[in-house]
Amino acid sequence: GQQLNQSPQSMFIQEGEDVSMNCTSSSIFNTWLWYKQDPGEGPVLLIALYKAGELTSNGRLTAQFGITRKDSFLNISASIPSDVGIYFCAGPNYGGSQGNLIFGKGTKLSVKP
Amino acid sequence: GAVVSQHPSRVICKSGTSVKIECRSLDFQATTMFWYRQFPKQSLMLMATSNEGSKATYEQGVEKDKFLINHASLTLSTLTVTSAHPEDSSFYICSALLLSSYNEQFFGPGTRLTVL
Repeated sequence: GQQLNQSPQSMFIQEGEDVSMNCTSSSIFNTWLWYKQDPGEGPVLLIALYKAGELTSNGRLTAQFGITRKDSFLNISASIPSDVGIYFCAGPNYGGSQGNLIFGKGTKLSVKP
Repeated sequence: GAVVSQHPSRVICKSGTSVKIECRSLDFQATTMFWYRQFPKQSLMLMATSNEGSKATYEQGVEKDKFLINHASLTLSTLTVTSAHPEDSSFYICSALLLSSYNEQFFGPGTRLTVL
């Protein structure tokens, strides 16, 4: 079945540093989604990508849809303490119903002030 | 933006009792909602797809008689954990599908269930 590999699993960085995380898929995606989950909360959509090669920004966040359509990365520039959380990539689960998603295992980000 | 609420946010119950969790789309109609379970330090695992006016579709390994789903209106889906046991303790998250050209899912804030 479809698999999403997300890396790194966790990151410990200093405030102000840039962060990069990525996801690879075992199959071609037509959509890549990046979510952030704060402790004890539901995921919040950060960036959605719909075209191969697309580069989209949301404030200090930038995400790209890989040209091969099997990968995506998320960059966070000049990290701040509130960036702490778990970041998930997600893509369509083609074996499921409409709108069904498959999630990566997440990247846990810790920011030291 | 699209807002999804969940109630309760936190529940503690005794083993053997049933617990109902509500998921509401506040500013849009959702014919499809999803129920996820998340164990500590793990990703979201889809339990079932809730379809308004029809039976839910359960993922492999999820007992439909234990996790009852009702999607009686376009803004409300409920998940009832029947005869809860300690191993059912988890973080349950719902999402609602906003139908558009992009079909985005918007997530609720989650419900922390603890079964004693």
